[in-house]
This record gives sequence, C-alpha cells and structure tokens, in this order.
Amino acid sequence: GAVVSQHPSRVICKSGTSVKIECRSLDFQATTMFWYRQFPKKSLMLMATSNEGSKATYEQGVEKDKFLINHASLTLSTLTVTSAHPEDSSFYICSARDWGAGSYNEQFFGPGTRLTVL
Amino acid sequence: AQSVTQLDSQVPVFEEAPVELRCNYSSSVSVYLFWYVQYPNQGLQLLLKYLSGSTLVESINGFEAEFNKSQTSFHLRKPSVHISDTAEYFCAVSESFSGTYKYIFGTGTRLKVLA
Repeated sequence: GAVVSQHPSRVICKSGTSVKIECRSLDFQATTMFWYRQFPKKSLMLMATSNEGSKATYEQGVEKDKFLINHASLTLSTLTVTSAHPEDSSFYICSARDWGAGSYNEQFFGPGTRLTVL
Repeated sequence: AQSVTQLDSQVPVFEEAPVELRCNYSSSVSVYLFWYVQYPNQGLQLLLKYLSGSTLVESINGFEAEFNKSQTSFHLRKPSVHISDTAEYFCAVSESFSGTYKYIFGTGTRLKVLA
C-alpha cells in the first residue's frame, strides 16, 4: 500500500516552454502532497505543501508564479514549471500523506522526475 | 527540529564490515524520525522509522537505528554491509509547523561499499 507515482519520469524541453509533472497516490487518498527539488549530490529541498482544494503553501524563496501547483483531487497533484530555463533543470520529487491510515506524520515518496531544460 | 545533521558526507567501507551512519537533530518537541535510501536516479525508499515505542527499530535488510532522546540522535547501523548497500542515505525528521507535519532532511551520506 501507500504507492505514489510520478509522470513523466524524465523530460527534456526547450528553454521558454512549460512542463507539467503529475504526482498520483495510487491506493490511498492524499489530502496533502509535497513537492521537493533535489540538486545533484544534494539533499531534498521542500518547495511547497499542497492541500486538496486549496492554494499551495510555498517555502521561502520559491517563486509561486514559476512553479504552479494544483491539487484538484484527492489523488492528483501537478507541478507546472512555467517558462523553464536551464537553471530549472533538476530532479523533482513529490510525496503524499495517507490520512486514512492515520499516519499524519509520515510521507510516501514518488520515484522522481528528471527535468532537463536545454 | 531546526536542523538535521549528517556529519559524514561520504563513508567508504569494505564489504562485510560494519557501518554506522550518524544523524543528529535539534528540537525541543516530540519528533518522528526516518531513514531513507536513494539509489542513482531514483526516488526515496523508506528504510526504517521511529514513531513511538521501542527506541530500537530494524529494517528487513539488516539495518537498525536507535532513537536516543538525550543525545538527539538516530544513528543507522548495519553489522555487515554488502556491495548492494552502496547508495545515498538520508535522515529525516517530521515535525509540526503550524499544524502541518513537514520533513526536514539531512544533507545525506553516501555509503560506498568496497569489494
């Protein structure tokens, strides 16, 4: 149980285009999802917390207009990198919390999406 | 937790030798502790966790970690490592921020098992 998927696993795009990454909880309802960014050989940096049906809460220093997050259903959150530039190239990982299991303090992670902007 | 510290960025160890990966955190409230493993170009896999109860927790592949509240530590140990244990290991603390539990990650320790 508690499986989280991400799509696509890898994406290459041209500078100036927008890219959408999907995060799905496959076997549970996730009222809260998190988006992280990981630079090469670095730790995970929390970008934003996404609650179903409401606006995402962004961490300090993260541009909300650059990284659009939508959490329209209990099983799907999307991250859209708008007008992507090479410096946005990174590994993006989502996670979700399974409220149904009462594990309010544990997150389940997706496999990540490698974004490369040319 | 205000911070999670993994002092060792890299740990080389020979196969079948024991290993300890250190994790310390700073917090004045109750926290929940996790160790995750990450293989190249993959997401995070939960290794083990401490939520409550016994302070010694074990994983199915031979790793164990002990929660030490007085020393604010959650070190990861394995008595005999395998080549396949080569990976990046992250310690994380889950703590409430204005009612939402968020993770704070350590900087990671790269375990390299040598033949």
